[in-house]
Amino acid sequence: EAQVTQNPRYLITVTGKKLTVTCSQNMNHEYMSWYRQDPGLGLRQIYYSMNVEVTDKGDVPEGYKVSRKEKRNFPLILESPSPNQTSLYFCASSPLGAPIAYEQYFGPGTRLTVT
Amino acid sequence: GESVGLHLPTLSVQEGDNSIINCAYSNSASDYFIWYKQESGKGPQFIIDIRSNMDKRQGQRVTVLLNKTVKHLSLQIAATQPGDSAVYFCAERSQGGGNKLTFGTGTQLKVEL
Repeated sequence: EAQVTQNPRYLITVTGKKLTVTCSQNMNHEYMSWYRQDPGLGLRQIYYSMNVEVTDKGDVPEGYKVSRKEKRNFPLILESPSPNQTSLYFCASSPLGAPIAYEQYFGPGTRLTVT
Repeated sequence: GESVGLHLPTLSVQEGDNSIINCAYSNSASDYFIWYKQESGKGPQFIIDIRSNMDKRQGQRVTVLLNKTVKHLSLQIAATQPGDSAVYFCAERSQGGGNKLTFGTGTQLKVEL
Protein backbone atom coordinates (compact mmCIF):
# COMPACT_ATOMS: atom_id res chain seq x y z
CA GLU A 1 0.00 0.00 0.00
CA ALA A 2 1.31 3.42 -1.01
CA GLN A 3 1.74 5.52 2.08
CA VAL A 4 3.63 8.14 4.03
CA THR A 5 4.35 7.27 7.62
CA GLN A 6 5.31 9.59 10.44
CA ASN A 7 6.56 8.88 13.92
CA PRO A 8 5.71 9.67 16.58
CA ARG A 9 2.04 10.58 16.12
CA TYR A 10 1.94 12.45 19.40
CA LEU A 11 4.76 14.03 21.36
CA ILE A 12 4.90 16.21 24.43
CA THR A 13 8.30 17.62 25.23
CA VAL A 14 9.98 20.46 27.08
CA THR A 15 11.66 23.57 25.78
CA GLY A 16 15.19 22.96 24.53
CA LYS A 17 15.11 19.18 24.33
CA LYS A 18 16.16 18.12 20.85
CA LEU A 19 13.71 15.93 18.98
CA THR A 20 13.30 14.30 15.59
CA VAL A 21 10.10 13.46 13.77
CA THR A 22 10.62 10.78 11.17
CA CYS A 23 8.91 10.59 7.78
CA SER A 24 9.12 7.73 5.35
CA GLN A 25 7.45 7.03 1.99
CA ASN A 26 7.34 3.84 -0.06
CA MET A 27 6.46 5.32 -3.46
CA ASN A 28 9.95 6.24 -4.65
CA HIS A 29 8.93 9.90 -4.80
CA GLU A 30 11.62 12.49 -5.37
CA TYR A 31 9.80 15.39 -3.73
CA MET A 32 9.14 15.46 -0.01
CA SER A 33 8.11 18.30 2.24
CA TRP A 34 7.16 19.21 5.77
CA TYR A 35 4.24 21.41 6.76
CA ARG A 36 2.92 22.74 10.00
CA GLN A 37 -0.75 23.35 10.53
CA ASP A 38 -1.99 25.95 12.98
CA PRO A 39 -5.55 27.17 13.58
CA GLY A 40 -6.52 29.95 11.21
CA LEU A 41 -3.28 29.73 9.25
CA GLY A 42 -3.62 26.65 7.09
CA LEU A 43 -0.73 24.45 6.06
CA ARG A 44 2.59 26.26 5.84
CA GLN A 45 5.65 24.69 4.28
CA ILE A 46 8.69 24.36 6.53
CA TYR A 47 11.26 22.64 4.31
CA TYR A 48 11.22 20.63 1.15
CA SER A 49 13.50 18.30 -0.72
CA MET A 50 13.62 17.65 -4.43
CA ASN A 51 15.87 14.62 -4.16
CA VAL A 52 18.55 12.99 -2.06
CA GLU A 53 20.92 15.56 -0.55
CA VAL A 54 18.83 18.42 -2.01
CA THR A 55 16.86 20.42 0.54
CA ASP A 56 15.57 23.98 0.69
CA LYS A 57 13.67 26.30 2.96
CA GLY A 58 9.96 26.72 2.72
CA ASP A 59 7.94 29.58 4.15
CA VAL A 60 8.61 29.01 7.87
CA PRO A 61 12.00 27.27 8.28
CA GLU A 62 13.21 29.02 11.45
CA GLY A 63 13.94 26.61 14.27
CA TYR A 64 13.87 23.50 12.07
CA LYS A 65 16.36 21.35 10.22
CA VAL A 66 15.93 18.51 7.78
CA SER A 67 18.08 15.95 6.05
CA ARG A 68 17.62 13.73 3.03
CA LYS A 69 20.24 11.01 3.07
CA GLU A 70 17.94 8.43 1.55
CA LYS A 71 15.17 8.86 -0.96
CA ARG A 72 12.48 7.35 1.25
CA ASN A 73 13.25 9.26 4.48
CA PHE A 74 12.94 12.93 5.33
CA PRO A 75 13.28 13.56 9.07
CA LEU A 76 12.37 16.88 10.67
CA ILE A 77 14.71 17.98 13.44
CA LEU A 78 14.02 20.52 16.16
CA GLU A 79 17.38 21.24 17.78
CA SER A 80 15.95 23.38 20.57
CA PRO A 81 12.15 23.28 20.55
CA SER A 82 10.21 26.25 21.82
CA PRO A 83 6.53 26.61 22.75
CA ASN A 84 5.77 28.46 19.48
CA GLN A 85 6.60 25.22 17.67
CA THR A 86 3.62 23.54 19.26
CA SER A 87 1.66 22.51 16.20
CA LEU A 88 0.39 19.71 13.99
CA TYR A 89 3.04 18.59 11.51
CA PHE A 90 2.51 16.84 8.19
CA CYS A 91 4.98 15.22 5.87
CA ALA A 92 4.06 14.85 2.19
CA SER A 93 5.59 13.31 -0.90
CA SER A 94 4.98 13.46 -4.63
CA PRO A 95 6.79 12.85 -7.90
CA LEU A 96 9.02 15.70 -9.00
CA GLY A 97 7.79 18.14 -11.58
CA ALA A 98 4.33 19.44 -12.33
CA PRO A 99 2.33 18.15 -9.41
CA ILE A 100 0.08 15.27 -10.19
CA ALA A 101 -2.17 15.99 -7.26
CA TYR A 102 -3.67 12.58 -6.84
CA GLU A 103 -0.15 11.30 -6.40
CA GLN A 104 0.59 13.75 -3.60
CA TYR A 105 0.34 11.84 -0.37
CA PHE A 106 0.24 13.23 3.13
CA GLY A 107 1.24 11.43 6.26
CA PRO A 108 -1.19 11.09 9.19
CA GLY A 109 0.30 13.99 11.13
CA THR A 110 2.34 14.46 14.30
CA ARG A 111 0.85 16.44 17.14
CA LEU A 112 3.71 18.18 18.96
CA THR A 113 3.35 20.06 22.23
CA VAL A 114 6.32 21.97 23.64
CA THR A 115 5.95 23.11 27.25
CA GLY B 1 2.96 37.75 0.05
CA GLU B 2 0.38 35.86 -1.93
CA SER B 3 -2.43 34.28 0.03
CA VAL B 4 -5.20 31.79 -0.42
CA GLY B 5 -8.20 32.23 1.80
CA LEU B 6 -11.67 30.93 2.44
CA HIS B 7 -14.83 32.97 2.91
CA LEU B 8 -16.44 30.89 5.66
CA PRO B 9 -14.74 29.00 8.45
CA THR B 10 -17.76 26.75 9.16
CA LEU B 11 -20.55 25.50 6.93
CA SER B 12 -23.50 23.45 8.23
CA VAL B 13 -25.75 21.60 5.80
CA GLN B 14 -28.51 19.07 6.04
CA GLU B 15 -27.84 15.55 4.86
CA GLY B 16 -28.87 15.24 1.23
CA ASP B 17 -28.48 18.92 0.45
CA ASN B 18 -25.78 20.31 -1.80
CA SER B 19 -22.77 22.03 -0.24
CA ILE B 20 -20.78 24.88 -1.70
CA ILE B 21 -17.41 25.77 -0.25
CA ASN B 22 -15.69 28.89 -1.50
CA CYS B 23 -12.11 29.99 -1.83
CA ALA B 24 -10.54 33.27 -2.91
CA TYR B 25 -7.01 33.41 -4.21
CA SER B 26 -4.85 36.42 -4.88
CA ASN B 27 -2.06 35.14 -7.14
CA SER B 28 -3.15 35.74 -10.71
CA ALA B 29 -0.14 33.70 -11.85
CA SER B 30 -1.45 30.50 -10.28
CA ASP B 31 -2.07 27.87 -12.90
CA TYR B 32 -3.30 24.91 -10.92
CA PHE B 33 -5.74 24.49 -8.05
CA ILE B 34 -6.60 21.60 -5.79
CA TRP B 35 -9.23 20.84 -3.21
CA TYR B 36 -8.30 18.67 -0.25
CA LYS B 37 -10.42 17.03 2.40
CA GLN B 38 -9.08 16.56 5.89
CA GLU B 39 -10.91 14.35 8.33
CA SER B 40 -10.28 14.60 12.02
CA GLY B 41 -6.96 13.03 12.96
CA LYS B 42 -5.86 12.46 9.39
CA GLY B 43 -3.75 14.15 6.76
CA PRO B 44 -5.26 15.99 3.78
CA GLN B 45 -6.61 13.87 0.95
CA PHE B 46 -6.92 14.93 -2.67
CA ILE B 47 -10.49 15.49 -3.88
CA ILE B 48 -10.31 17.20 -7.23
CA ASP B 49 -8.08 19.54 -9.18
CA ILE B 50 -8.46 22.04 -11.98
CA ARG B 51 -6.05 23.81 -14.28
CA SER B 52 -6.32 27.51 -14.98
CA ASN B 53 -7.31 26.91 -18.60
CA MET B 54 -10.56 25.33 -17.40
CA ASP B 55 -13.55 26.83 -15.61
CA LYS B 56 -15.28 23.66 -14.47
CA ARG B 57 -14.37 20.11 -13.67
CA GLN B 58 -16.58 17.34 -12.34
CA GLY B 59 -15.81 14.30 -10.31
CA GLN B 60 -17.93 11.84 -8.44
CA ARG B 61 -20.45 14.00 -6.54
CA VAL B 62 -18.02 16.93 -6.60
CA THR B 63 -17.60 19.83 -8.98
CA VAL B 64 -14.96 22.51 -8.91
CA LEU B 65 -15.63 25.88 -10.51
CA LEU B 66 -12.92 28.39 -11.31
CA ASN B 67 -13.61 32.04 -12.00
CA LYS B 68 -10.33 33.66 -12.95
CA THR B 69 -11.91 37.05 -13.44
CA VAL B 70 -12.63 37.41 -9.74
CA LYS B 71 -10.01 34.88 -8.58
CA HIS B 72 -12.55 32.59 -7.01
CA LEU B 73 -12.68 28.85 -6.64
CA SER B 74 -15.56 26.80 -5.34
CA LEU B 75 -16.20 23.19 -4.45
CA GLN B 76 -19.69 21.83 -4.83
CA ILE B 77 -20.64 18.58 -3.15
CA ALA B 78 -23.88 17.02 -4.31
CA ALA B 79 -26.17 15.15 -1.93
CA THR B 80 -23.96 15.76 1.07
CA GLN B 81 -23.49 12.75 3.32
CA PRO B 82 -22.37 12.43 6.95
CA GLY B 83 -19.06 11.08 5.67
CA ASP B 84 -18.44 14.40 3.99
CA SER B 85 -18.02 16.09 7.35
CA ALA B 86 -14.44 17.34 7.38
CA VAL B 87 -12.29 20.40 6.82
CA TYR B 88 -11.86 21.35 3.18
CA PHE B 89 -8.83 23.27 1.86
CA CYS B 90 -8.11 24.84 -1.42
CA ALA B 91 -4.53 25.07 -2.60
CA GLU B 92 -2.88 26.82 -5.49
CA ARG B 93 0.32 26.41 -7.42
CA SER B 94 2.08 29.39 -8.93
CA GLN B 95 2.98 29.03 -12.56
CA GLY B 96 6.53 27.75 -12.67
CA GLY B 97 6.37 26.97 -8.97
CA GLY B 98 7.16 23.31 -9.37
CA ASN B 99 5.70 21.22 -6.59
CA LYS B 100 5.11 24.06 -4.13
CA LEU B 101 1.54 24.64 -3.08
CA THR B 102 -0.01 27.46 -1.05
CA PHE B 103 -2.90 26.34 1.11
CA GLY B 104 -6.00 28.11 2.29
CA THR B 105 -7.04 28.13 5.93
CA GLY B 106 -9.86 25.61 5.54
CA THR B 107 -13.62 25.41 5.96
CA GLN B 108 -15.23 23.05 8.43
CA LEU B 109 -18.19 21.28 6.81
CA LYS B 110 -20.72 19.86 9.24
CA VAL B 111 -23.46 17.60 7.96
CA GLU B 112 -26.58 17.52 10.09
CA LEU B 113 -28.85 14.51 10.05
